[in-house]
Amino acid sequence: IIMTQSPASLSVSPGERATLSCRASQNIASNLAWYQQKPGQAPRLLIYGASTRATGFPARFSGSGSGTQFTLTISSLQSEDVAIYYCQHYNNWPYTFGQGTKLEIE
Amino acid sequence: EVELLESGGGIVQPGGSLRLSCAASGFTFTNYAMTWVRQAPGKGLEWVSVISATSGTTYYADSVKGRFTISRDNSKNTLYLQMNSLRAEDTARYFCANKVGGIHSSFDYWGRGTLVTVSS
Repeated sequence: IIMTQSPASLSVSPGERATLSCRASQNIASNLAWYQQKPGQAPRLLIYGASTRATGFPARFSGSGSGTQFTLTISSLQSEDVAIYYCQHYNNWPYTFGQGTKLEIE
Repeated sequence: EVELLESGGGIVQPGGSLRLSCAASGFTFTNYAMTWVRQAPGKGLEWVSVISATSGTTYYADSVKGRFTISRDNSKNTLYLQMNSLRAEDTARYFCANKVGGIHSSFDYWGRGTLVTVSS
C-alpha cells in the first residue's frame, strides 16, 4: 500500500489552521496513524485509528477520514508544532509511511 | 514511564554485521509486539521488522529480508536486530517501538534511536 502525503511542505501563520492530507492507494478503513517528529527527536504517536488523539496532545490536533483519504488538522498553529508529520497505515504488513509533510511557521 | 533505549550502532564496512539492542522498561514487555523502524539521513521513515510478544511471528520489509533477523529475550526485556550483509543503503538511524494495540495497530512509544553507518 502506497501512502501519499500532501503538501510536501506547508508554511502557516501562528494561530491559523493547518491542514495536512494523506491518501492510501487501497482501502485501509480507519487503520491509520499520524506521527509528529520534531528536529533531532524520535517520532511520537499523535493520532491512531484515524481520529483518536494519543496521550499528551492538545485538542487543537484532530484527525479525520476513512478508506483512502485522511486529514490531520491543527486548528490554531503554535510555534511548538513545527515538525514533520508522517501518516502510516497499519492495515496489513508491510506497514508503510507517507513521505512526510514539513510544517513551518510563516 | 515507558522507556526504550537502543544501542549497538556504529560504523561498519559493506558486507559486515552489527547487532542492535533495545532495552525496554516501564511497561510489561512480554505482553506486546515490538518493531524496528529506520530513517536514513534526511529521509523519511521505513518500517524494518516486527516480532510478536511470544516471538512466534515475525515479518520483514523486502529490503532486509534474508539479511536481518529480529528476536527478543523476554527474560531481559530486550529486543534485538541482527543485521548481516550490510549495504550502504542500510545507513540510517534505527528506532525500536512497541505496539500496545492488537495484531494491527500503531507504534505507540519510540526510543531515540541508534545510528548505523555502512561505509568503507
